[in-house]
Amino acid sequence: ELKVEQNPLFLSMQEGKNYTIYCNYSTTSDRLYWYRQDPGKSLESLFVLLSNGAVKQEGRLMASLDTKARLSTLHITAAVHDLSATYFCAVDNTAYGNKLVFGAGTILRVKS
Amino acid sequence: DAEITQSPRHKITETGRQVTLACHQTWNHNNMFWYRQDLGHGLRLIHYSYGVQDTNKGEVSDGYSVSRSNTEDLPLTLESAASSQTSVYFCASGHANTGELFFGEGSRLTVL
Repeated sequence: ELKVEQNPLFLSMQEGKNYTIYCNYSTTSDRLYWYRQDPGKSLESLFVLLSNGAVKQEGRLMASLDTKARLSTLHITAAVHDLSATYFCAVDNTAYGNKLVFGAGTILRVKS
Repeated sequence: DAEITQSPRHKITETGRQVTLACHQTWNHNNMFWYRQDLGHGLRLIHYSYGVQDTNKGEVSDGYSVSRSNTEDLPLTLESAASSQTSVYFCASGHANTGELFFGEGSRLTVL
């Protein structure tokens, strides 16, 4: 059974600082996704990582995937208040099945 | 623009009543999913469908059913609502090639 673990579950950081959110998963997969959720809102797709070594960047966020270590990271550079949200990673270990298993989410609060 | 819509967005019902949550997507995706989101549990898969007349149970399917009579719609029915089914429900549809899911705005259900 696929398990997805994120850490930390809560992160409070100062504006301008860097930090990394980690996503570990338990079974072989090369399809990993990052989503953002604002309070009371839907989930917004941030990154789609489909191969070992994949790296994607959008603004102050960068995601990477190491399938051998079963690990993805979401790195935040020079955080700003607007990045405050809950971030989820999700893993699909089915062939083109879209059947995502989600981590518990990381609540990020950026303090000005 | 393609989208995925859920209705109702908010519903209060009583224990034992039947409730149906609607989900309609215009992405023309074959794959559709229902998740529930609860504090401390992240998102958990209820039911999913890979095409017309196809339905499958997810991780937490007890007390729920779905039907798929066309590509666009996957309604979720709670046969006899229970207080444990108070939650926020998200419908999603999936891009088969990348596995990426696109989510609706969510339906908040309260069972009294």
